[in-house]
Amino acid sequence: GQNIDQPTEMTATEGAIVQINCTYQTSGFNGLFWYQQHAGEAPTFLSYNVLDGLEEKGRFSSFLSRSKGYSYLLLKELQMKDSASYLCAVTDSNYQLIWGAGTKLIIKP
Amino acid sequence: GAVVSQHPSWVICKSGTSVKIECRSLDFQATTMFWYRQFPKQSLMLMATSNEGSKATYEQGVEKDKFLINHASLTLSTLTVTSAHPEDSSFYICSASTGGDWTEAFFGQGTRLTVV
Repeated sequence: GQNIDQPTEMTATEGAIVQINCTYQTSGFNGLFWYQQHAGEAPTFLSYNVLDGLEEKGRFSSFLSRSKGYSYLLLKELQMKDSASYLCAVTDSNYQLIWGAGTKLIIKP
Repeated sequence: GAVVSQHPSWVICKSGTSVKIECRSLDFQATTMFWYRQFPKQSLMLMATSNEGSKATYEQGVEKDKFLINHASLTLSTLTVTSAHPEDSSFYICSASTGGDWTEAFFGQGTRLTVV
């Protein structure tokens, strides 16, 4: 079956760095997305990786290793507003989006 | 980025009534729209995929007669929850795609449905 694993919850301190991991087993691979979702709101796009390596976008970076079925989202200089759920999603060979359950990130002052 | 507008943002309805949720792509033509449902503390679950002018493709376990999807134009898709029951209370989210670009999925704001 198709599966995406990410930690349920993480806690970090304001100003620090946090890495949220995502591992996947899917039938084919056509890209991996990271989304941020605040409570009660729709997800917002953060990043897309289809090739191995690191993509940097401001305070957020996303890494992909296709051979390992692994990605991480790196958040730097954490702010209180970064408290949210972070969703990892993979497009399979049929371009279906397979969603992880999300990682709830709690930022403490 | 592209804008997808979903309406209403929240709705409360009585059990047994029907509710219609609209999803509009405001500045692009969406050949494909997706409808998701999200229960509290759970992942997004794809309900159906709709392509303009054709019947929607429903995911396994989703009742097509209960969740009516219409994608009559390139900028509008609707989801109608028929004969709603309390267990249908959920957060419903649409997303739209031009069909050729998979670098980003554009989401509507979501609709919080509460059936009492």
